[in-house]
Amino acid sequence: AQSVTQLGSHVSVSEGALVLLRCNYSSSVPPYLFWYVQYPNQGLQLLLKYTTGATLVKGINGFEAEFKKSETSFHLTKPSAHMSDAAEYFCAVRTNSGYSTLTFGKGTMLLVSP
Amino acid sequence: NAGVTQTPKFRVLKTGQSMTLLCAQDMNHEYMYWYRQDPGMGLRLIHYSVGEGTTAKGEVPDGYNVSRLKKQNFLLGLESAAPSQTSVYFCASRSLAGDVGELFFGEGSRLTVL
Repeated sequence: AQSVTQLGSHVSVSEGALVLLRCNYSSSVPPYLFWYVQYPNQGLQLLLKYTTGATLVKGINGFEAEFKKSETSFHLTKPSAHMSDAAEYFCAVRTNSGYSTLTFGKGTMLLVSP
Repeated sequence: NAGVTQTPKFRVLKTGQSMTLLCAQDMNHEYMYWYRQDPGMGLRLIHYSVGEGTTAKGEVPDGYNVSRLKKQNFLLGLESAAPSQTSVYFCASRSLAGDVGELFFGEGSRLTVL
């Protein structure tokens, strides 16, 4: 079984501040990990993913995430927030089995103030 | 390039009515999924399909049926709608090929059951 916990349903930052969105996962086998972003009234778009290899992964729009196996975490960061980053962010996990489905966290809404 | 298209985008039903949501993808993807999104709950998997003519239950399948008669289409049916099925429904697809298989999402179908 696999699961994802996102700490904080809402995170507020000022423009230019560091963005940190937290994600912890549970998986009985090595996981594949994802961050998706959802802008208002739209579907989800992939920000970045971790499969194997380098534990620090870079995504679109300046976001990056680090896979820490010992902490079972995959936190999302961005050095400097932009107003356009305001959206809902979802962490997701699946195993490396071919038929494995994606399990999502409950989401974190990022609010960016001027 | 259409990607994943969902119809209709909005629908209002009365309790007990039936309806079908259509998902169409033009990327020749093998896997297709139906999720529902509710506030504070993230995305929950309803049903999925790993190929034409095959379907499987996800996390919250009760009250829904699906069919995949053609590879490019995945239909989600509600036989007797209930207010608890008020939600935003997302279809997604992914390819069997490649390393991890990113999910591609439609823009969602907002359903209200009165």
